[in-house]
Amino acid sequence: GESVGLHLPTLSVQEGDNSIINCAYSNSASDYFIWYKQESGKGPQFIIDIRSNMDKRQGQRVTVLLNKTVKHLSLQIAATQPGDSAVYFCAENMGDDKIIFGKGTRLHILP
Amino acid sequence: GAGVSQTPSNKVTEKGKYVELRCDPISGHTALYWYRQSLGQGPEFLIYFQGTGAADDSGLPNDRFFAVRPEGSVSTLKIQRTERGDSAVYLCASSPERANYGYTFGSGTRLTVV
Repeated sequence: GESVGLHLPTLSVQEGDNSIINCAYSNSASDYFIWYKQESGKGPQFIIDIRSNMDKRQGQRVTVLLNKTVKHLSLQIAATQPGDSAVYFCAENMGDDKIIFGKGTRLHILP
Repeated sequence: GAGVSQTPSNKVTEKGKYVELRCDPISGHTALYWYRQSLGQGPEFLIYFQGTGAADDSGLPNDRFFAVRPEGSVSTLKIQRTERGDSAVYLCASSPERANYGYTFGSGTRLTVV
């Protein structure tokens, strides 16, 4: 399928290394944050979320860090694998009924 | 169904024509969302349904765009008098209740207006 995000910032990481993808969110009133992974030709896939009363949350091989002081969110992927190649989006919710997406980052895994 | 289903997966139409895009949400999900994604961009919110009613349509770009969900399950996004600028991937998502429990997205419909 057509590649999503041909002009997105790209992060290249050696297979097996850790990846850190950063995101600056826009609204200090946001209280729920999500990271999505999007592979070519597919819709965004939920990875991990975090609420504003937390500053760190861990999943399987992934960790999300939230710094509300500077409105910054990061996604850490441990031991990056070829299957992690995708575009990653952060998204925020302000307690209303929709999620607003940020700009994506393409993660490229080097063999 | 097991996931959110969108049909067709691809649609090519001529400028000025009318198109309908369909979304089948996950069974039992009351909230349904439409987004539009242009190349190189994140998904942009269009409209949100809670049950049968459009609770927030603030993202619809103009009155050529309309969406319905008559029985609170399947939704149809309708675009009249299509323009080349409408070319994008149209994504549908559903959620059990509200956005702050995360959504599940379908694979989208790629609309190309020629």
